[in-house]
Amino acid sequence: GDSVTQTEGPVTVSESESLIINCTYSATSIAYPNLFWYVRYPGEGLQLLLKVITAGQKGSSRGFEATYNKETTSFHLQKASVQESDSAVYYCALGGSSNTNKVVFGTGTRLQVLP
Amino acid sequence: EAAVTQSPRNKVAVTGGKVTLSCNQTNNHNNMYWYRQDTGHGLRLIHYSYGAGSTEKGDIPDGYKASRPSQENFSLILELATPSQTSVYFCASGDIYEQYFGPGTRLTVL
Repeated sequence: GDSVTQTEGPVTVSESESLIINCTYSATSIAYPNLFWYVRYPGEGLQLLLKVITAGQKGSSRGFEATYNKETTSFHLQKASVQESDSAVYYCALGGSSNTNKVVFGTGTRLQVLP
Repeated sequence: EAAVTQSPRNKVAVTGGKVTLSCNQTNNHNNMYWYRQDTGHGLRLIHYSYGAGSTEKGDIPDGYKASRPSQENFSLILELATPSQTSVYFCASGDIYEQYFGPGTRLTVL
């Protein structure tokens, strides 16, 4: 089946440092799945951070960016300079099988940004 | 204004008891989903629905039932709760392009 593997947390970085959270995927039900990063801030539900539905394209939001690489089946999340308010749990996910309307999530990576 | 709401937000239940988790959405989405989130497992799909009257089994449906009486409402039912069902449960509406999540329900089964 489809699966997503991402950096195991927690990840701790200092404010203004750069960040990368790795994500690789395996899609058996669809050749080119939609790829997502969701974020969950403390006390809240998940919300979509960014998505890319075309291989080779880059998505960006709130200073974060991720590039859909079909050769390496990766979708790493990067930010050049993190802020304390970025502390949250980040989930990589894939979807796109129209037969099931399902989205498969990774295990989540907890990010703590130190002031 | 929150588009996906869940109730209750916190619940303590006893083993063998019946638990109903409720979800309401105002997005007018056909699809709704129930997930549970556990450390080391991420979000796992329990049940989902394509519209009123429909329920489908997700990846981990054992021990859970679902009910979709209307476009807006989707319930998750634990007929005989067990301690292994202690978790945080998220409801969502949407599709394969974007899902909108509720704030979660923390369930503890003693």
